[in-house]
Amino acid sequence: GAGVSQSPSNKVTEKGKDVELRCDPISGHTALYWYRQSLGQGLEFLIYFQGNSAPDKSGLPSDRFSAERTGGSVSTLTIQRTQQEDSAVYLCASRPSGNTEAFFGQGTRLTVV
Amino acid sequence: DQQVKQNSPSLSVQEGRISILNCDYTNSMFDYFLWYKKYPAEGPTFLISISSIKDKNEDGRFTVFLNKSAKHLSLHIVPSQPGDSAVYFCAAIPTSGTYKYIFGTGTRLKVLA
Repeated sequence: GAGVSQSPSNKVTEKGKDVELRCDPISGHTALYWYRQSLGQGLEFLIYFQGNSAPDKSGLPSDRFSAERTGGSVSTLTIQRTQQEDSAVYLCASRPSGNTEAFFGQGTRLTVV
Repeated sequence: DQQVKQNSPSLSVQEGRISILNCDYTNSMFDYFLWYKKYPAEGPTFLISISSIKDKNEDGRFTVFLNKSAKHLSLHIVPSQPGDSAVYFCAAIPTSGTYKYIFGTGTRLKVLA
């Protein structure tokens, strides 16, 4: 499809394990975002990639969280030593240059047990 | 420090009537404001946006109003339809810094048939 694709859709992991979440943005979109939505909360900004510029990591909640974007396309969000409070829906979005709005994927629901 | 606030967690409206969703912002300067709609288990989808230099933008059944002196944004849906039942998020893009979205906590709209 032509939309933002995230995988896996659902992930259940044990506390202390590492997880990787993948985002395939819309082809040609230069900006890529990661957000998360915890139960009953709004969308919390995590990280923003724009072209070849240094990413804005100001929203990452701890050093257990990291993200990379390879070749200006696919992005991976990695959470090390997962904790129960990391349980949330992780949303990826991409935006073409010159556009105001971003397009979101369906999200990855992460459950840490 | 929540910069974008949606103070009504839920709203119920009769089909055919007007739905008015509200959003307030504080402190920061913003260039654009956007509204997104989110169905369960899906990512947010863009609805409508408004530049900070305008006070109204209309797209079909959706109209967004911006009152800069009151730092208030509203989304009007008329006539409301049962398919409009979803969670609505307002978002703002800051004037300075990176081009990221600051979201409110959302308002759950239920349109009653």
